[in-house]
Formats: sequence, structure tokens, C-alpha cells
Amino acid sequence: EIVLTQSPATLSLSPGERATLSCRASQSVTSFLVWYQQKPGQAPRLLIYDASNRATGIPARFSGSGSGTDFTLTISSLEPEDFAVYYCQHRSNWPFTFGQGTRLEIK
Amino acid sequence: DVQLVETGGGLTQPGGSLRLSCAASGFSVSRNYMSWVRQAPGKGLEWVSIFYTGGDIYYADFVKGRFTISRDNSKNMAHLEMYSLRAEDTAVYYCARGEVAGRVDDWGQGTRVTVSS
Repeated sequence: EIVLTQSPATLSLSPGERATLSCRASQSVTSFLVWYQQKPGQAPRLLIYDASNRATGIPARFSGSGSGTDFTLTISSLEPEDFAVYYCQHRSNWPFTFGQGTRLEIK
Repeated sequence: DVQLVETGGGLTQPGGSLRLSCAASGFSVSRNYMSWVRQAPGKGLEWVSIFYTGGDIYYADFVKGRFTISRDNSKNMAHLEMYSLRAEDTAVYYCARGEVAGRVDDWGQGTRVTVSS
């Protein structure tokens, strides 16, 4: 089973700042890495698929990069609605697993 | 518009059973990858099971032999039969649709399962 480790666990930033979230895989997942956003009391939402492709309707301030074992989700300039928990997930092979999440909170 | 509506959650005792259902609209379950993903209270996400378009089925080790995923193409629904439930199965269970294997493009609102005596 591939283990995904996200860092940091919590990120405290202010609106307008740049956020950089990391996801590291225990073995290569090539580009089969997905990012989701989850707000309290809501289901997750697909943000980025296959490492760098924005899902439909996702603002351009969200971008993903990386391949192999190291991946990054970047939010270029934080909006108030971006404060949430972010999960990475691989789809390289079964079982598909998620990282433990990064909580992005308002500083 | 794609819509996924889960039903069937509730409270059951350890060792009990539940059947979760997912009513899909706006797409065909037979032409999409249908999954169940769960989230224990205050915890992260866990992929429980997936039903491939071609018919292949996979289960997480922690539910293998206890849970059964199925789909009803005629009713455009997916189901998750859960047996021998344990306290650690307590979670919100999400029905999920993917256009490709291993990606969730759309999520239901979730149904809460509580296993407790």
C-alpha cells in the first residue's frame, strides 16, 4: 500500500498570501495524484487531477505540480473561501489511499 | 447535473448489518466508476470499495469479506451491503462517481453510520 504524507499538518496564513502544500508518496505514483478540498460539514471537492490538471470550475489560483513521489498544491493568493482541509490521493494502483490532510487556517 | 443521494445510514450494534444505497442522476452508473469512501468522525478519508465500469470490484483490506458493493444499472443506483459491523466502521459514508478509476469527480452528501452498543 502506498502511503501519502502531507505537510504541514496545519498551515496558518492570511488572505492574499501564497499557500504551498506538500504531498509525498512512499513510492512513485508517476502523475496519478489528485487533490481535494473539504470544508466543515461538506463533502470533499475535486480540485486537481493527475498532478497538475484543474478540475472543471476550479479557479486559476489553484495549481498542482510534481511527479513520482513529490507533489505540491499551490494557492497563489488566498481568498477567504480557501480556508479548509486539503487532501491528496493517489490512483496509481489499488488500494487508492489519501494523505492525512493539511488544514489551512486563517492567521 | 450530476447528483448522488445516499440513504440507509443509521445506528446499529456491533455485529449488525446495514445496506447503503446511492441514487444517481445526470449520468449512468454503468459508464462510470462508482465508489464508497468513508470518513470517521474528525478523521481523514478512506477509500472503501470501487466498482469498475468493466465489472471489476476492489475492497479495502479493512472491509474485505464484510462489505459488498453492487450496482443496479436499471435503477441507476449503487449499493454497499455492510455485515459484521464494528465500532471502527463508524463514519460518514460517501457515494462517489469517477470518470476514470481512482478519481472522484462527484460526491454525495454522505450518510452517517454509527456502530455502537
